[in-house]
Amino acid sequence: KAGVTQTPRYLIKTRGQQVTLSCSPISGHRSVSWYQQTPGQGLQFLFEYFSETQRNKGNFPGRFSGRQFSNSRSEMNVSTLELGDSALYLCASRAGTSPNQPQHFGDGTRLSIL
Amino acid sequence: DQQVKQNSPSLSVQEGRISILNCDYTNSMFDYFLWYKKYPAEGPTFLISISSIKDKNEDGRFTVFLNKSAKHLSLHIVPSQPGDSAVYFCAAYDGGTSYGKLTFGQGTILTVHP
Repeated sequence: KAGVTQTPRYLIKTRGQQVTLSCSPISGHRSVSWYQQTPGQGLQFLFEYFSETQRNKGNFPGRFSGRQFSNSRSEMNVSTLELGDSALYLCASRAGTSPNQPQHFGDGTRLSIL
Repeated sequence: DQQVKQNSPSLSVQEGRISILNCDYTNSMFDYFLWYKKYPAEGPTFLISISSIKDKNEDGRFTVFLNKSAKHLSLHIVPSQPGDSAVYFCAAYDGGTSYGKLTFGQGTILTVHP
């Protein structure tokens, strides 16, 4: 069974630009969550989508947005990039919304802002 | 404020011995706990979980213990193997919000020496 696929693996952008990251969940999984990992803050929740609806949102500015398509694939967008947005962005999927269905993570997109 | 804390940044053990990783939490609404393992350049991999209605869950070499009154959980790995060397994250779900949002600890680097 193929795992969670995130593209691209690496991205370099400059301040002020915008970026879109993509996540393809495990086949059959309808819930997708996004996380940001930085050395200082650790792993922090960005948002969760289920059946194309955002169910929960973390404490990030409005520059961070996302969406989910009918095939459960998800994208997240960051506009007006800042140096502090440099991080590893992780996507996780799971079959449903019960806590006993663990989230399975992709290998992430490493975003560097110059 | 950090709601999930892993106070030991690193742990070193000998192959074949027990590894004990600890985690403390402050949010009384957390009702489901998970442990993830992360290798460099890979996403976190789910290891084991426990519901707040239990005090122990076992899966092969991995056992998680939960002490609700102390708001403390631990992961035991017996016997430890060199391949277990990785960063271990404790994470929790808040049943009062959404089971799509995991709150993570800062991680503990486990090194198992041959």
